[in-house]
Amino acid sequence: KQEVTQIPAALSVPEGENLVLNCSFTDSAIYNLQWFRQDPGKGLTSLLLIQSSQREQTSGRLNASLDKSSGRSTLYIAASQPGDSATYLCAVTGGSQGNLIFGKGTKLSVKP
Amino acid sequence: DVKVTQSSRYLVKRTGEKVFLECVQDMDHENMFWYRQDPGLGLRLIYFSYDVKMKEKGDIPEGYSVSREKKERFSLILESASTNQTSMYLCASSQITRDRAAGELFFGEGSRLTVL
Repeated sequence: KQEVTQIPAALSVPEGENLVLNCSFTDSAIYNLQWFRQDPGKGLTSLLLIQSSQREQTSGRLNASLDKSSGRSTLYIAASQPGDSATYLCAVTGGSQGNLIFGKGTKLSVKP
Repeated sequence: DVKVTQSSRYLVKRTGEKVFLECVQDMDHENMFWYRQDPGLGLRLIYFSYDVKMKEKGDIPEGYSVSREKKERFSLILESASTNQTSMYLCASSQITRDRAAGELFFGEGSRLTVL
């Protein structure tokens, strides 16, 4: 059964720092991997989607990489800002019907 | 922009009441999902649907049912609400790909349900 793990569970950094969030999954037979952001009390916002055939995706200050063989993905945030404070979740899709398996997220706090 | 709209942001119900949570998406997506999110447990899939009138059980379907009479609308029903169903409920939709896997997933704002 696919399991998705995100370490650390929480991270606090000073403003301006570059940072990396980690996501690992146990079954490399995935179709895609998606990174989300969630603000307190709100739904999830899609940040980046990486297809299994891709190695990385970029959007603004965000870069997500995927290494299927090792079961790992990273989300790189450049020049972090207080507005980046949120919980970041990754999810993998595998098999038919595309059921996503979510990690429990990393809660990021960027201090001014 | 894709929009997934959940009818109620906050609900308070009593034990034993029947509860309807409505979700509408405007992008003609085939897939629709209902999750619940609880502290320490993350997101757990309740039900999903890949077509009108089709439904599949997720990881925790007990105590819930769903209805998908139209492609754009996916309803979650709690036949007899219980206190352990107090949670944040999240609806999502996605396009289905050529390989029948889910494409990019889009979420609604969530419905916070409290059962007293």
